[in-house]
Amino acid sequence: GENVEQHPSTLSVQEGDSAVIKCTYSDSASNYFPWYKQELGKGPQLIIDIRSNVGEKKDQRIAVTLNKTAKHFSLHITETQPEDSAVYFCAASIGFGNEKLTFGTGTRLTIIP
Amino acid sequence: DAGITQSPRHKVTETGTPVTLRCHQTENHRYMYWYRQDPGHGLRLIHYSYGVKDTDKGEVSDGYSVSRSKTEDFLLTLESATSSQTSVYFCAISGTTGRRMGGYTFGSGTRLTVV
Repeated sequence: GENVEQHPSTLSVQEGDSAVIKCTYSDSASNYFPWYKQELGKGPQLIIDIRSNVGEKKDQRIAVTLNKTAKHFSLHITETQPEDSAVYFCAASIGFGNEKLTFGTGTRLTIIP
Repeated sequence: DAGITQSPRHKVTETGTPVTLRCHQTENHRYMYWYRQDPGHGLRLIHYSYGVKDTDKGEVSDGYSVSRSKTEDFLLTLESATSSQTSVYFCAISGTTGRRMGGYTFGSGTRLTVV
């Protein structure tokens, strides 16, 4: 089955700097890659997703890039703010979101004021 | 999220007892999932459902069973709880809506402690 690896497990950045989280996947048939943000005591929330027919997608300060050849995708957060502090999960599936998602192990992002 | 509710939010139970967690949705989504979250493991799929009475196993299904008799409810049962099942359990739903294609919506989680 699919295996998703996520790095780093923890990341601290100065407020205003950029943060990058990277994931690799094993199944070349995977074609849907969402990112979730989990705040303390809450369930994960979808923040951005990308499909395999697209190389990059942006939404305000966040962006996701996908390299199908290398089987990796990354989350980029620019101009980080204290409210960006959370745990971030990447995931992958075959299909566009109604199929089983395989998640990475998470990255705890801390924004230093 | 307002469209999905998990109950209870917290539970402490003794080893060997059966436990049932409930997930209720008001979105009329076809797909429902149960995940467990543990440090160092992220979120792992226990069971999922693709319709009423249609369920299948995920990667960590041993010791768990599920039922879905109505679109809105998906129940997770620990048949005989063990300490290794101490975890935070999340229910998720997915389906096509007018606003967004695909992706999961998660509930707020149930923290289960088996003593």
